[in-house]
Amino acid sequence: NAGVTQTPKFQVLKTGQSMTLQCAQDMNHNSMYWYRQDPGMGLRLIYYSASEGTTDKGEVPNGYNVSRLNKREFSLRLESAAPSQTSVYFCASMHWGLGPYEQYFGPGTRLTVT
Amino acid sequence: DAKTTQPPSMDCAEGRAANLPCNHSTISGNEYVYWYRQIHSQGPQYIIHGLKNNETNEMASLIITEDRKSSTLILPHATLRDTAVYYCIVRVGTGNQFYFGTGTSLTVIP
Repeated sequence: NAGVTQTPKFQVLKTGQSMTLQCAQDMNHNSMYWYRQDPGMGLRLIYYSASEGTTDKGEVPNGYNVSRLNKREFSLRLESAAPSQTSVYFCASMHWGLGPYEQYFGPGTRLTVT
Repeated sequence: DAKTTQPPSMDCAEGRAANLPCNHSTISGNEYVYWYRQIHSQGPQYIIHGLKNNETNEMASLIITEDRKSSTLILPHATLRDTAVYYCIVRVGTGNQFYFGTGTSLTVIP
């Protein structure tokens, strides 16, 4: 099993450009999450999807949109990138409804907006 | 949701026990305490969790005070590979969201 995969691993954007970060998991988990981690900081929840067909805002949703494409895939879109969105983005998945509610994380996407 | 407070950094000698404290004074009765760690810039990794009883697994032990306002993660014999940022998180019993703080940066010294 690959676990949680994210693409791309690195990306540089100019201010105003758009892009979509992709995330996929092969563990048959129902819940998926997007976090951002700024330098020297902890993770902050952007959006999550408790189950296929649902999405909800986290702590810092402004400037982002998400799509739960199917049970495996959860994408994060930046419509008009800003320098403040320079960060490392982590995707995670978890099976909600069956303990111990352990989140599995991907390797991250390192995004720089100039 | 309850928030957590952790010291920003700690050192521990290799082979000794590392005791990482966490304060969650506003925790409510159905909130679990979780610990994750993040090695270098990798994605965080689950360590252990508990509600009110002390817990132990192959990685660590979790001691939760009787009033549940604080907890301690214990790495019994720290190695250099345990150098990481350790996050203490609370999760609402019926919720599936985790809120990470800034964590404790643990450095294991040879």
